[in-house]
Amino acid sequence: GENVEQHPSTLSVQEGDSAVIKCTYSDSASNYFPWYKQELGKGPQLIIDIRSNVGEKKDQRIAVTLNKTAKHFSLHITETQPEDSAVYFCAASNYGQNFVFGPGTRLSVLP
Amino acid sequence: EAEVAQSPRYKITEKSQAVAFWCDPISGHATLYWYRQILGQGPELLVQFQDESVVDDSQLPKDRFSAERLKGVDSTLKIQPAELGDSAMYLCASSLTHEQFFGPGTRLTVL
Repeated sequence: GENVEQHPSTLSVQEGDSAVIKCTYSDSASNYFPWYKQELGKGPQLIIDIRSNVGEKKDQRIAVTLNKTAKHFSLHITETQPEDSAVYFCAASNYGQNFVFGPGTRLSVLP
Repeated sequence: EAEVAQSPRYKITEKSQAVAFWCDPISGHATLYWYRQILGQGPELLVQFQDESVVDDSQLPKDRFSAERLKGVDSTLKIQPAELGDSAMYLCASSLTHEQFFGPGTRLTVL
């Protein structure tokens, strides 16, 4: 079955700096890769996603890149703000089936 | 904005008791997911429904867990009997295509 690894497990950055979180997956059949932000006591919130026919997607300060050959994808957050502090999860799926999540990255943005 | 509803938000029970969680997905979403999230880890898929049919319950501990979605709308997840290791956040999500929208979760504590 699919296995998703995520690094780093914790990340601290200064406000205004960039943050990068990386994930790798094992199943070449996976074709949908979402990223979620989870704040304390809340459910995960979808922030951006990418499908396997696209190499990069950007939404304001957030971007995701996908390398299908190497089976890895990354989340990039630019101009970080204190409200970006949360736990971020990557996931991999095959056409909306078999969602497998990474273990999460705790991001702290220091003012 | 439509949201996934879950109840209760918190549940404390003693081991060997029965517990039940309820989820009401976003209207029109045919796919419903139940996840278990242990503190400090990513969500783990327990069961996935397409309308009223189970499409994936390979990770559901069927000796004690059951899930139903009788009319293809809301869903109930039951644990009987609860064990200490079941303490976790139980998350419900729904989707129309690929994008999953999560509810706030039910925090279960088994004493």
